[in-house]
Amino acid sequence: GAGVSQTPSNKVTEKGKYVELRCDPISGHTALYWYRQSLGQGPEFLIYFQGTGAADDSGLPNDRFFAVRPEGSVSTLKIQRTERGDSAVYLCASSLVGGGTLPGELFFGEGSRLTVL
Amino acid sequence: AQSVSQHNHHVILSEAASLELGCNYSYGGTVNLFWYVQYPGQHLQLLLKYFSGDPLVKGIKGFEAEFIKSKFSFNLRKPSVQWSDTAEYFCAVTISNFGNEKLTFGTGTRLTIIP
Repeated sequence: GAGVSQTPSNKVTEKGKYVELRCDPISGHTALYWYRQSLGQGPEFLIYFQGTGAADDSGLPNDRFFAVRPEGSVSTLKIQRTERGDSAVYLCASSLVGGGTLPGELFFGEGSRLTVL
Repeated sequence: AQSVSQHNHHVILSEAASLELGCNYSYGGTVNLFWYVQYPGQHLQLLLKYFSGDPLVKGIKGFEAEFIKSKFSFNLRKPSVQWSDTAEYFCAVTISNFGNEKLTFGTGTRLTIIP
């Protein structure tokens, strides 16, 4: 499809387990973002990639969270030793920086709902 | 750091009623402002945006928003709502024009339209 694809759409895990969430951005989009949306809240920024490098990871809550984008396309958000408070919808977005798309015009995926029991 | 406030958490309107959703931001410098919408079961999508120029911006589906710099506001309006406007609406701001387009979102307003 032409949109941002995220897998899995739903993930239920037990406290202490390791989780990976995948994001496949729109083809050709150089910028990729991860956000987290808790119940009743707006999306909160986690990390931003420009190409392969993390340009801004100031939103990652602690060192249990890590994200990679090794080839500048697909990205994986990794959460170690999950806690119940990590339960949320994890959103991925991409944009075409410098390609005529103005700042902030992000294209979002449908999200991965993580439930930690 | 910038922040965004949406004071209306849940708004219920009848079809054909007029809509205004409030959005205030806190940041002393130049900002770019956005409204995103999330229809039930769908992903977030851009409704409209303001960067510069005419403070009254028009978006998709008959929505518009007015940037009032003196009030740090960017309220969303629609003169006559439809049942299909039922969704969650998020106001967002970014302060960077170059590269990092990190958005700061408000907590959202849930809009329910009664047929």
